[in-house]
Amino acid sequence: DQQVKQNSPSLSVQEGRISILNCDYTNSMFDYFLWYKKYPAEGPTFLISISSIKDKNEDGRFTVFLNKSAKHLSLHIVPSQPGDSAVYFCAARTRNFGNEKLTFGTGTRLTIIP
Amino acid sequence: KAGVTQTPRYLIKTRGQQVTLSCSPISGHRSVSWYQQTPGQGLQFLFEYFSETQRNKGNFPGRFSGRQFSNSRSEMNVSTLELGDSALYLCASSLDPAQEQFFGPGTRLTVL
Repeated sequence: DQQVKQNSPSLSVQEGRISILNCDYTNSMFDYFLWYKKYPAEGPTFLISISSIKDKNEDGRFTVFLNKSAKHLSLHIVPSQPGDSAVYFCAARTRNFGNEKLTFGTGTRLTIIP
Repeated sequence: KAGVTQTPRYLIKTRGQQVTLSCSPISGHRSVSWYQQTPGQGLQFLFEYFSETQRNKGNFPGRFSGRQFSNSRSEMNVSTLELGDSALYLCASSLDPAQEQFFGPGTRLTVL
């Protein structure tokens, strides 16, 4: 049972344009969401997060939007740069003490075309 | 500050063997989580340790086990290896279970 879904395995975007990565979740107990970026032969690195009390969080070129009613979040990267080419994982967790484990999506491979 | 280190980085085993992977967390971090990454499955949670105690366990068979030592270093063990165990095994550490996780580079296990 995939509680966090990234339905696009890959995405190609022209350099300078906006990249939009999507993520859906089914567990209504999730109240904290994160995006990780992963390069080959490296572990995932934290990118940006959002709490369920917000609907938007921005950090430089990265913005995450959360639509709780649709159980959907998205990561916007603008402008896209060649160094953004990587696999992006969406993750979610509850804040319930004793059950803070992260549940990850299957990832979206983003390719930025120069 | 040194990051999360995992040893070995690459490992080749044959079916039926057992394997032990090691993870050294960032200094001061007391929580360690393990994940399995396979193509098409994303990162699957294996287990989480905090202060030498297993706090959470994912849906993996009993062949997968782990432990954490008093210095927060962690090991995971897989017994009776199967071909499907071939994967990248990632370790992540955090100050405590509610804080941001930092990942190591992973151990690539190939089972022949």
